[in-house]
Amino acid sequence: GQNIDQPTEMTATEGAIVQINCTYQTSGFNGLFWYQQHAGEAPTFLSYNVLDGLEEKGRFSSFLSRSKGYSYLLLKELQMKDSASYLCAVKGSNYQLIWGAGTKLIIKP
Amino acid sequence: DADVTQTPRNRITKTGKRIMLECSQTKGHDRMYWYRQDPGLGLRLIYYSFDVKDINKGEISDGYSVSRQAQAKFSLSLESAIPNQTALYFCATSDLTFESGELFFGEGSRLTVL
Repeated sequence: GQNIDQPTEMTATEGAIVQINCTYQTSGFNGLFWYQQHAGEAPTFLSYNVLDGLEEKGRFSSFLSRSKGYSYLLLKELQMKDSASYLCAVKGSNYQLIWGAGTKLIIKP
Repeated sequence: DADVTQTPRNRITKTGKRIMLECSQTKGHDRMYWYRQDPGLGLRLIYYSFDVKDINKGEISDGYSVSRQAQAKFSLSLESAIPNQTALYFCATSDLTFESGELFFGEGSRLTVL
């Protein structure tokens, strides 16, 4: 079967760094996405990885290891507005997305 | 104004009623999707359309139907709503000009079936 695993909830402190992990088992791999979703709102695109390595975009970075079926999203200099759910999604062999259930990130002052 | 607009944003209905959720987009994208989101579960694909004459079932199409009236409009219908169709529904678009095929989501339609 196909599966995306991410922690259900994480807590971090304003100004700190947090790493959200995502492991996947899918039939085929054609890229991995991270989306941010604030409560009651639409998901918005954060990053896309198709090759191994780290992609940096401002305070957010995303890492991929295809051989390990593993990715992480790294958020630096956390701000209160970063409190949201972070969704990991893999584009499988049929180019359709398989979504994780999301990680709810709580930022404390 | 939002590039991907969903109506209604909230709807409460009763079991057995027919419901239509509408989606329109001004992004000029050919590809449109309907997803549902339930607490504790990932987004699940209901239907998708790559152009006006193309309609495809997703992983959970039973109990739903769709209509692609134009490039910009994609409607989702529940012919006879049941309580387990209570969920947050998202319309999304994508375009081949983006290498990743990232999705652009509407603001969501929260449906409650009593």
